[in-house]
Amino acid sequence: GQSLEQPSEVTAVEGAIVQINCTYQTSGFYGLSWYQQHDGGAPTFLSYNALDGLEETGRFSSFLSRSDSYGYLLLQELQMKDSASYFCAVKRAGGFKTIFGAGTRLFVKA
Amino acid sequence: DTEVTQTPKHLVMGMTNKKSLKCEQHMGHRAMYWYKQKAKKPPELMFVYSYEKLSINESVPSRFSPECPNSSLLNLHLHALQPEDSALYLCASSQTSGNTGELFFGEGSRLTVL
Repeated sequence: GQSLEQPSEVTAVEGAIVQINCTYQTSGFYGLSWYQQHDGGAPTFLSYNALDGLEETGRFSSFLSRSDSYGYLLLQELQMKDSASYFCAVKRAGGFKTIFGAGTRLFVKA
Repeated sequence: DTEVTQTPKHLVMGMTNKKSLKCEQHMGHRAMYWYKQKAKKPPELMFVYSYEKLSINESVPSRFSPECPNSSLLNLHLHALQPEDSALYLCASSQTSGNTGELFFGEGSRLTVL
């Protein structure tokens, strides 16, 4: 089987830093992705980690530890527009099967 | 062009109707996907096509019938659906090689079954 766990909801203030954790249990693991989805919108890709370590893209960073089956998304200098749902997703089975976690709803307050 | 286009954006159908959802991409991606998403839930994988061949079917009921006529197009044919099939249907595409893991999603077709 497979499972991904992430917090259901996180609230933070503008300008702050927030970390969204994701733990996974899956066979045939290829990598961990993060997606952002605003209400009424499509999921958009944020980052992908295939190897252990930190990947940085602007205000967003993502980390993976394969030995711990754990990753996180770090959002810095939070802005109101960052209020959205964030999904971690595992890529497996030859690279075509991407399975999403339940999502973390981020609320950014002024 | 980094866009996946889905039509229609909204669809209302009765349980006896037959309708189709369409998806198009011109990024040269050879993998295309259908996901189903219910409100406040994650996208749920339905089908994957690789090089126009069905490679993954996540035990989806036969009232959903996918088709990949060519490398740019993906259809989802709908017949005899149930009200619980009402959801947002998302099409996505990706490269088949490389290691970015990125799925490009369309805006989705919001389906209501009466």
